[in-house]
Amino acid sequence: KAGVTQTPRYLIKTRGQQVTLSCSPISGHRSVSWYQQTPGQGLQFLFEYFSETQRNKGNFPGRFSGRQFSNSRSEMNVSTLELGDSALYLCASSASGYEQYFGPGTRLTVT
Amino acid sequence: DQQVKQNSPSLSVQEGRISILNCDYTNSMFDYFLWYKKYPAEGPTFLISISSIKDKNEDGRFTVFLNKSAKHLSLHIVPSQPGDSAVYFCAFLSEKLVFGKGTKLTVNP
Repeated sequence: KAGVTQTPRYLIKTRGQQVTLSCSPISGHRSVSWYQQTPGQGLQFLFEYFSETQRNKGNFPGRFSGRQFSNSRSEMNVSTLELGDSALYLCASSASGYEQYFGPGTRLTVT
Repeated sequence: DQQVKQNSPSLSVQEGRISILNCDYTNSMFDYFLWYKKYPAEGPTFLISISSIKDKNEDGRFTVFLNKSAKHLSLHIVPSQPGDSAVYFCAFLSEKLVFGKGTKLTVNP
């Protein structure tokens, strides 16, 4: 079974721009979660989608949004980028809601 | 507020010895506990889990212990191998996964 894939793997953007990250979950997994990893804060939960509906949301500003498509693929969008948004963005999929399987992440650098 | 604490940012052990990684939590609503391992430039890999109704779960060299009264979770790796060198995150599930900040384990040959 193929694992979770994320595109692109690396991205450089300028302050004020917006960015869209993509995640394809493991086949059959309907839950997709997004996390932000930074050296100071560790892994922080952004949001979870299940069957195209946002099921949970973390404490991030409204500039961070996401969506899930009918094939369970998910996208995450960050608008009006700030320097502090530089991080590794991780996507995880789950069948059971318990064990989550992570993709390799997208490294976003905001300059 | 930090609901999950991994108080040791790093740990170094000799190959063949036991590695013990610790995690403390504050939220009694957590009902499922997990450990993840992360290598540089890769996403976290699920390692082992335990539900709140158990106090121990084993999978090969890895054993997770849960002490609910102390709100303490630990991961034992026996024997430790150089390939185990990675960052280990504990995670707790309530409505969402809450991660600790990680402990970097180095296993020296």
